[in-house]
Amino acid sequence: NAGVTQTPKFRILKIGQSMTLQCTQDMNHNYMYWYRQDPGMGLKLIYYSVGAGITDKGEVPNGYNVSRSTTEDFPLRLELAAPSQTSVYFCASSYSRTSGRDEQYFGPGTRLTVT
Amino acid sequence: AQKITQTQPGMFVQEKEAVTLDCTYDTSDPSYGLFWYKQPSSGEMIFLIYQGSYDQQNATEGRYSLNFQKARKSANLVISASQLGDSAMYFCAMREGTGNTPLVFGKGTRLSVIA
Repeated sequence: NAGVTQTPKFRILKIGQSMTLQCTQDMNHNYMYWYRQDPGMGLKLIYYSVGAGITDKGEVPNGYNVSRSTTEDFPLRLELAAPSQTSVYFCASSYSRTSGRDEQYFGPGTRLTVT
Repeated sequence: AQKITQTQPGMFVQEKEAVTLDCTYDTSDPSYGLFWYKQPSSGEMIFLIYQGSYDQQNATEGRYSLNFQKARKSANLVISASQLGDSAMYFCAMREGTGNTPLVFGKGTRLSVIA
């Protein structure tokens, strides 16, 4: 299994440009998440999905959009990039068991700079 | 109010010594889970250990153990016999309720192991 993969690894955007961060998992996980990590800080939840066709906002959703058309893929769309979106973006996934025990598996991250 | 508080921005420990990384949490939900993740300089997030709110015993995983004090709402990570490879950022995180609700992360503690 490749686990959770993210592309690209690095990207520089100009203010006002748009882009899509790709995330794919091959573990048949129902739950997927997008986090951002600002320098020296913990991770903050942007959006998450409990299954194909279902998404919900997290703590910091403004400026982002997501879609979940398949179990495997959970792309994150940035519209009109702003310098405040300079961050490292992590995608994660987990099983859907109800015990709450299941850890999230993280992708390697995408380092985005908006100038 | 912050749900996860890590009060130690940075810690130093001598190789082969034990070290405790502090984490306190805030929730009114009787069901919750606590996680610790390691983030080395390469950037990936590595799951270390999990403690459920109803678990009777403190969790252990190899050299990692969790000192869970429910009444004090603390979940400190203890690393025994520190190794140079333990140098990294360490994040405490909480999941409230049952099922796969998203994690809330603390700001992290940077651990440096000295030879």
